[in-house]
Amino acid sequence: DQQVKQNSPSLSVQEGRISILNCDYTNSMFDYFLWYKKYPAEGPTFLISISSIKDKNEDGRFTVFLNKSAKHLSLHIVPSQPGDSAVYFCAASAGGGSNYKLTFGKGTLLTVNP
Amino acid sequence: DAGITQSPRHKVTETGTPVTLRCHQTENHRYMYWYRQDPGHGLRLIHYSYGVKDTDKGEVSDGYSVSRSKTEDFLLTLESATSSQTSVYFCAISESGTSGDQSTDTQYFGPGTRLTVL
Repeated sequence: DQQVKQNSPSLSVQEGRISILNCDYTNSMFDYFLWYKKYPAEGPTFLISISSIKDKNEDGRFTVFLNKSAKHLSLHIVPSQPGDSAVYFCAASAGGGSNYKLTFGKGTLLTVNP
Repeated sequence: DAGITQSPRHKVTETGTPVTLRCHQTENHRYMYWYRQDPGHGLRLIHYSYGVKDTDKGEVSDGYSVSRSKTEDFLLTLESATSSQTSVYFCAISESGTSGDQSTDTQYFGPGTRLTVL
């Protein structure tokens, strides 16, 4: 049973345009959500997070939106740059009772074309 | 960058041999985690530790054991490696942050170990 789903294995966008990566979850106990970026042969790098008490969080070109009723979150990258080309993982945590274990989606490969 | 190192970075071994991977942190974080990454599966939790000598299983723990005798080191052992354990292994650390009742914990990952079992 996959609790965190990234239904798009890949996404291709033009440089300067918006990239929108989507993530759905099924566990209503998740209260903290994170996005990681991963380049080949490197470890995942933390990008941005959002707590379930918020519906939006921004950090520079990156914005994460959370729709709790739909159990859906999305990552917006504006404007997209070729260096953003990587695999993006969505992850969720159910908080202290779970010892902060993260459940990951399978990832979306973003390609930003010059 | 969080101070996390993994060793070795690459290893090739044969079926049936024991293998130990090491994760070392300089951040004094309480929580440490071992994940494996496989095509089509994302990252899956193998084992984690919430303190020295305190460990628990993740979703794919069969065939793996862990030990944490010091805050800074978390070892992952494959007692008898199998070809299905060929994977990339990542260690992560976190401080277990909260803001009121909300979790704000963020995990930071090491560079990974690529393990091939022939």
